[in-house]
Amino acid sequence: GAVVSQHPSRVICKSGTSVKIECRSLDFQATTMFWYRQFPKQSLMLMATSNEGSKATYEQGVEKDKFLINHASLTLSTLTVTSAHPEDSSFYICSARRRGGGVSGELFFGEGSRLTVL
Amino acid sequence: QKEVEQDPGPLSVPEGAIVSLNCTYSNSAFQYFMWYRQYSRKGPELLMYTYSSGNKEDGRFTAQVDKSSKYISLFIRDSQPSDSATYLCAMGNNFNKFYFGSGTKLNVKP
Repeated sequence: GAVVSQHPSRVICKSGTSVKIECRSLDFQATTMFWYRQFPKQSLMLMATSNEGSKATYEQGVEKDKFLINHASLTLSTLTVTSAHPEDSSFYICSARRRGGGVSGELFFGEGSRLTVL
Repeated sequence: QKEVEQDPGPLSVPEGAIVSLNCTYSNSAFQYFMWYRQYSRKGPELLMYTYSSGNKEDGRFTAQVDKSSKYISLFIRDSQPSDSATYLCAMGNNFNKFYFGSGTKLNVKP
């Protein structure tokens, strides 16, 4: 099956620092990657959609200068939380849609990255 | 009104029981429907994918879509303790945006 890898899986940082999270599709090319945030006992909240080689599209209410997304290649997207604050602490999950997936449109998810801002 | 509604549970059943998980939605344009299983502190894992209406079976799992009622279901036969997880439904009308339910927590007791 398709594998999406996220790194790091856990990160603790001090308030005011920036944190980068990587999302890689290991065995397929992903034309589109998505970044989500998940709070405890809640569903996934889409933050932004990232297409390779173009600027990310952010959902309403998500600060693009706060959450920088780069989709540099067909297998890698990064999310950088800039000047992190405790309220940014959350579980961040990426997903990727396989290139040439036809009508299937399946999304494959990474394992998630838990960010704790002290 | 939320795009997708899902009972958060928790749902507790004995091992071997048939489990029924459901979601309702409001957007009649949705045509892609998925079910994901998420273990604690892990990313969601795709279980079933259905396009438009109908049923789809894969081993112990059956997904049903009733577009006239805007209602989808996931059935798990012969449930096992290893099926204990949170189950998320997801749906959309194009590939670029999917709407997720809040997830139903399932506990299968040995």
